[in-house]
Amino acid sequence: KAGVTQTPRYLIKTRGQQVTLSCSPISGHRSVSWYQQTPGQGLQFLFEYFSETQRNKGNFPGRFSGRQFSNSRSEMNVSTLELGDSALYLCASSEKGGALFLNTEAFFGQGTRLTVV
Amino acid sequence: QKEVEQNSGPLSVPEGAIASLNCTYSDRGSQSFFWYRQYSGKSPELIMSIYSNGDKEDGRFTAQLNKASQYVSLLIRDSQPSDSATYLCAVDSRGSTLGRLYFGRGTQLTVWP
Repeated sequence: KAGVTQTPRYLIKTRGQQVTLSCSPISGHRSVSWYQQTPGQGLQFLFEYFSETQRNKGNFPGRFSGRQFSNSRSEMNVSTLELGDSALYLCASSEKGGALFLNTEAFFGQGTRLTVV
Repeated sequence: QKEVEQNSGPLSVPEGAIASLNCTYSDRGSQSFFWYRQYSGKSPELIMSIYSNGDKEDGRFTAQLNKASQYVSLLIRDSQPSDSATYLCAVDSRGSTLGRLYFGRGTQLTVWP
């Protein structure tokens, strides 16, 4: 079974530009979460999508947005990039099955390392 | 605000010793608990999940859960230099934030030969 695939692996952008990151979850997984990781802040939750709906959102400005497609693939977009957006962006997929959502194990992709210059 | 706290570390143990990593959480409704290992420059890797009170063993790893005390721990027996990494505790949430995992800041473990 293929793991979570994130593309691209590395990006260098200049301030003011926008960027789109992609995440393909494990086959059959319907939940995709996005995190930002920086040395000083640790893992910061951005948002979670389940069956094309944003179910949870973290405390990030509106410049950060995302979406999920019918095949569960997800994209996140950051507009008007700032130097502080330089980070490792991680996507995690999870299989949400049954009424009690008992199986919530989340598996991470390799991440996209974004550098804003 | 739901919180997950880990012993800040860094933790340094000699090869062959037991490493003990601790985590407390604030949401009494949490049902699922996870430990991730993250090597420097890599993404987190799920190494243990635990859902019921008590111990769960997998090879050299043992996760312990005490919901009454809102405490979860990870023991690594016979620690190896390859275990040197940052260990992240993660806790699920219910209610309005169903589907979200809350992560601690991580404990950096160094196992020296």
